[in-house]
Amino acid sequence: DVKVTQSSRYLVKRTGEKVFLECVQDMDHENMFWYRQDPGLGLRLIYFSYDVKMKEKGDIPEGYSVSREKKERFSLILESASTNQTSMYLCASTERGTGANVLTFGAGSRLTVL
Amino acid sequence: GQNIDQPTEMTATEGAIVQINCTYQTSGFNGLFWYQQHAGEAPTFLSYNVLDGLEEKGRFSSFLSRSKGYSYLLLKELQMKDSASYLCAVYPSTGKLIFGQGTTLQVKP
Repeated sequence: DVKVTQSSRYLVKRTGEKVFLECVQDMDHENMFWYRQDPGLGLRLIYFSYDVKMKEKGDIPEGYSVSREKKERFSLILESASTNQTSMYLCASTERGTGANVLTFGAGSRLTVL
Repeated sequence: GQNIDQPTEMTATEGAIVQINCTYQTSGFNGLFWYQQHAGEAPTFLSYNVLDGLEEKGRFSSFLSRSKGYSYLLLKELQMKDSASYLCAVYPSTGKLIFGQGTTLQVKP
């Protein structure tokens, strides 16, 4: 019954390392999103994608990049991890369409940067 | 600016009723969502309101007043499994969903 899968639930990385967070959805959704979730700040949008090879910046894109080579896969990349990127990262997807669509979330990837 | 406010924490007793409020100030309005998130799990969809009024779904109801920029989630006949975080999220005219900080609800026996 798994619909949005994030490959790593827990990661520990060192400052300066390159980090890849992978997300795969099996619902044939066009839209995919990466959020980070921090206590007291809620979910904040990092990047999103409306189609293969397309990407749009969210509210906090600094320090991150993304890749969408296939419709079902959306990767978040931290080129050089820093301690302030320690957080819970949530991937989500929705169908294409105007207006408000229900997000389906993955279980999250908790990243600790030492 | 765009802002969504909800209480950080709430505590209620099993079997009781609890109301979780959410107020918002956004540029335009295209709907409001409530999601439930158990600790260590993915957020899951609870409700969507785009018109004023009350939407009821079993033990859960959600209310919206667009003129007041206000919504609440009402949970009846509380169960221990309702202990979770409840996320309020608004679709402004930008089309990018904005989330509140979430309300952590603890249900006690």
